[in-house]
Amino acid sequence: DGGITQSPKYLFRKEGQNVTLSCEQNLNHDAMYWYRQDPGQGLRLIYYSQIVNDFQKGDIAEGYSVSREKKESFPLTVTSAQKNPTAFYLCASTPGQVVKAFFGQGTRLTVV
Amino acid sequence: EDKVVQSPLSLVVHEGDTVTLNCSYEVTNFRSLLWYKQEKKAPTFLFMLTSSGIEKKSGRLSSILDKKELFSILNITATQTGDSAVYLCAPRHGSGNTGKLIFGQGTTLQVKP
Repeated sequence: DGGITQSPKYLFRKEGQNVTLSCEQNLNHDAMYWYRQDPGQGLRLIYYSQIVNDFQKGDIAEGYSVSREKKESFPLTVTSAQKNPTAFYLCASTPGQVVKAFFGQGTRLTVV
Repeated sequence: EDKVVQSPLSLVVHEGDTVTLNCSYEVTNFRSLLWYKQEKKAPTFLFMLTSSGIEKKSGRLSSILDKKELFSILNITATQTGDSAVYLCAPRHGSGNTGKLIFGQGTTLQVKP
């Protein structure tokens, strides 16, 4: 079955450590997105990529980094520079133009 | 600067009530507007709107877009407790093949029995 897979579902890290969240899709979609969601709030765009080897900053990119070496994969690294990394992270992809976005099931990151 | 504002931020109604959720946007190179329902984890797709004035319907839910006034509404009639969720709107816009997808802060709907 085609879809977007995020892993892990839950992640605990100590303060000051970098951590990488995985997002893989087998839908052959061009564009991929990373969002952060805090309790009671909407989705805020961290980074997005419209094509392999290219990505753009979203509204809250500070303290995060991404890569897009393969069409299927768009990993997000939460660095120690991110002041408040505890949140729910969602990855999405779209095939292009004016069609809906597909979402992964999310990763809940807790930094202790 | 791109802006998406949803209102109200939260709403509590009783089963059977009708609700209207609002989404206004200011974005460059608008392409389409998406509505999603989020209950626990991943948002689930409801509607995609590209043309003004054409209502999209799915059961008790309907939505319409006004590209001139830059807003969209989502109506839910005869609400049920299963409609309790966060409703998110997202305009797709910008340059490039796929554009940017940003979300509003969401409307949290609670439907009481």
